[in-house]
Amino acid sequence: DIQMTQSPSSLSASVGDRVTITCRASQDISNYLAWYQQKPGKVPKLLIYHASTLQSGVPSRFGGSRSGTDFTLTISSLQPEDVATYYCQKYSSGPLTFGGGTKVEIK
Amino acid sequence: EVQLVQSGAEVKKPGESLKISCKGSGYRFTSFWIGWVRQMPGKGLEWMGIIYPGDSETRYSPSFEGQVTFTVDTSIATAYLHWSRLKASDTANYYCVRPLRPGVVVTTDYWGQGTLVTVSS
Repeated sequence: DIQMTQSPSSLSASVGDRVTITCRASQDISNYLAWYQQKPGKVPKLLIYHASTLQSGVPSRFGGSRSGTDFTLTISSLQPEDVATYYCQKYSSGPLTFGGGTKVEIK
Repeated sequence: EVQLVQSGAEVKKPGESLKISCKGSGYRFTSFWIGWVRQMPGKGLEWMGIIYPGDSETRYSPSFEGQVTFTVDTSIATAYLHWSRLKASDTANYYCVRPLRPGVVVTTDYWGQGTLVTVSS
């Protein structure tokens, strides 16, 4: 099965900083990659699908991109409400595997 | 409005059986796959597998094959996750999820509220 390796596992940044989270697939998954946000004690929320398509209602400071089997979630200007754990998920053939998660905190 | 409403928290003993439920509403239940996701305490999200209510086709993630069973009752638009013999390591929050589009296994935009299962002697 395809493995999803997410990095870093945690980060701390200041309000207004640009934040980047990476997810690497062990094989080609085309653009079949989604990003989720899970705030403490809450249900995960879909942010981005098809590598770069913003889900309806998601702030435009969130963006996604792909380079080969490497995928990136970018928060252009970190806000206090963005404190959460972020997960990538592949949805090409086989199990819809999640990455290990990245916990984002405010410095 | 699309909703997935899950059954309430459970406390069980090792070796007991359990079935938790997920009721879909606001959409054609038989047209969308229903998936299950595990989140152990303080840990990340794990994909368990998925079932298609239209014909009960199931696809289990290798880690969960033989450990759990997915079923549906289309007459009441409800999906179930079943354990025949619980273990302490089954302690987790379990989410049911629905994909973005009908008839295909793609990423999921609707999630149930989660069912916390605690297994302890």
